[in-house]
Amino acid sequence: NAGVTQTPKFQVLKTGQSMTLQCAQDMNHEYMSWYRQDPGMGLRLIHYSVGAGITDQGEVPNGYNVSRSTTEDFPLRLLSAAPSQTSVYFCASSWGGNEKLFFGSGTQLSVL
Amino acid sequence: GESVGLHLPTLSVQEGDNSIINCAYSNSASDYFIWYKQESGKGPQFIIDIRSNMDKRQGQRVTVLLNKTVKHLSLQIAATQPGDSAVYFCAENMGNQGGKLIFGQGTELSVKP
Repeated sequence: NAGVTQTPKFQVLKTGQSMTLQCAQDMNHEYMSWYRQDPGMGLRLIHYSVGAGITDQGEVPNGYNVSRSTTEDFPLRLLSAAPSQTSVYFCASSWGGNEKLFFGSGTQLSVL
Repeated sequence: GESVGLHLPTLSVQEGDNSIINCAYSNSASDYFIWYKQESGKGPQFIIDIRSNMDKRQGQRVTVLLNKTVKHLSLQIAATQPGDSAVYFCAENMGNQGGKLIFGQGTELSVKP
């Protein structure tokens, strides 16, 4: 039982490049979320999903796309990376909307 | 307590003392609250949660207090240990069922030996 698995752990991009951050969970959780964390700040919600086929925007969705084709996977796509997207990204999942989130170990992204 | 800005609020306590970390939440419709601990370089780790039909909940060495009148949440850590040094975040569900937990800025707890 791996929990929430994020890949890659580290990534460096050039401005304008695209990439996908992968997130998978093996706990059969319906709810999955993506957060970004910047120095000295809390976690800000990017996008979230209440189940396969359903996604919604969080606090800071611009520049990011998500999809939820399966219960297990919730990838985060950066279509054209910008330096402002340099951050640590965390994926999380839970059984329900009012249940505790389980977090992955994070992806540290630098956009040059 | 938690506040907007680039500098984390900090709390420094002596080993063995009790710690109290405060959090002001924003949405009076929020009915679920949760505290997380984050150590350097790691993802947030669940500590304790509380629902709005309660005003106090206890765990192992931790207690969460909820005051809905003033929209205030606190985390009390008894007999603080060096391993408790971390950043602590509170989060609220903004009164919806959609997994939309919104986090506060965080408070950095430093435990002096």
